[in-house]
Amino acid sequence: DVKVTQSSRYLVKRTGEKVFLECVQDMDHENMFWYRQDPGLGLRLIYFSYDVKMKEKGDIPEGYSVSREKKERFSLILESASTNQTSMYLCASSSGGVPSGDNQPQHFGDGTRLSIL
Amino acid sequence: AQSVTQLDSQVPVFEEAPVELRCNYSSSVSVYLFWYVQYPNQGLQLLLKYLSGSTLVESINGFEAEFNKSQTSFHLRKPSVHISDTAEYFCAVRGTGANNLFFGTGTRLTVIP
Repeated sequence: DVKVTQSSRYLVKRTGEKVFLECVQDMDHENMFWYRQDPGLGLRLIYFSYDVKMKEKGDIPEGYSVSREKKERFSLILESASTNQTSMYLCASSSGGVPSGDNQPQHFGDGTRLSIL
Repeated sequence: AQSVTQLDSQVPVFEEAPVELRCNYSSSVSVYLFWYVQYPNQGLQLLLKYLSGSTLVESINGFEAEFNKSQTSFHLRKPSVHISDTAEYFCAVRGTGANNLFFGTGTRLTVIP
């Protein structure tokens, strides 16, 4: 069974802090994703990565960066946290590259509920 | 690009009654379609998916969805719901040849005893 692990379930930080959210998957998946989930807005893609050291902007990358130094780990970084980044953050992974693996579902972690005060 | 519309943000239904959660998508290319479920305080879990072949797909817990290309819909149905089905349900679409999913805004299903 695929396991996607997010390092924290709940996190409270102050505005201006640099915040790291960590995600690890154990199935050797090529693709990893970071979303934020807000009521009434569903899930919105922040960044994704299809290979080590590769990254692509999603729909809402502003204020975020990512790091993928190893295949199993994908980190989301809030360079200078702001209150409008208070949200639930979800990490996901999937196997296969485009196009051969593009029909594979994404597997999600349990989420990190981040509060910026 | 693709987009997904879930018109119903909340659906209350009595236990053992049938339910339909609506999903419409737009896309200029062929798509794969997914339904995910999110139970309280958990991440998303894949419920079922349409990739190709039969337009009716089923999950192990009694849900089914039918891909209707002419109506660009992928509605989720269950003939008799249980209390344990209370959750938020997300419809998602991915264009063939792409990596990223586009999600709807979700439908919160509440099953009333």
